[in-house]
Amino acid sequence: AQSVTQLGSHVSVSEGALVLLRCNYSSSVPPYLFWYVQYPNQGLQLLLKYTSAATLVKGINGFEAEFKKSETSFHLTKPSAHMSDAAEYFCAATTSGTYKYIFGTGTRLKVLA
Amino acid sequence: NAGVTQTPKFRVLKTGQSMTLLCAQDMNHEYMYWYRQDPGMGLRLIHYSVGEGTTAKGEVPDGYNVSRLKKQNFLLGLESAAPSQTSVYFCASSYLERTGELFFGEGSRLTVL
Repeated sequence: AQSVTQLGSHVSVSEGALVLLRCNYSSSVPPYLFWYVQYPNQGLQLLLKYTSAATLVKGINGFEAEFKKSETSFHLTKPSAHMSDAAEYFCAATTSGTYKYIFGTGTRLKVLA
Repeated sequence: NAGVTQTPKFRVLKTGQSMTLLCAQDMNHEYMYWYRQDPGMGLRLIHYSVGEGTTAKGEVPDGYNVSRLKKQNFLLGLESAAPSQTSVYFCASSYLERTGELFFGEGSRLTVL
């Protein structure tokens, strides 16, 4: 069965430091992968998506993610954290032929001044 | 464009009461979804619809009913609310293409006493 695992429910980084949020997926068929961000009291908005084109995907706000099939991973990175990046981040997956999206349990990012 | 609009945004119910959450999208999307978000559990799919007049069960459908009489609207009903249904509910919609991302509403916070 398809699943998405996010390692670390809480991550803290200093302002200006590298952000790395981990996501691993389990799928018997090629997945489509997404990262969403949720700011307090708001809905989720798309950061970036992988749909079997380039394995390195660039998104909004300086975030990027790399699809690594051998590691079944889709980790989210940003070279330099900004205070405005503090939010909850969700990794999600779906596959061709299904209408269902599977979400990870989320990682709350805290940025320290 | 309004995107995905959910009403109401907040509601307090007593155990056993009923209510309906309304989701409206103005993007002509075929697919619509209802999720619930609980701390540490990510988003869990309640019900979804792949087109007007169709509905299907998701991961946690018990205690909920849905209807999609018009393409732009997706209603989530609670016939007899229980405290376990205290949650934040999100509606989402997506394009017909299967790699399309989800567009989310801002959420409806429901408390059942």
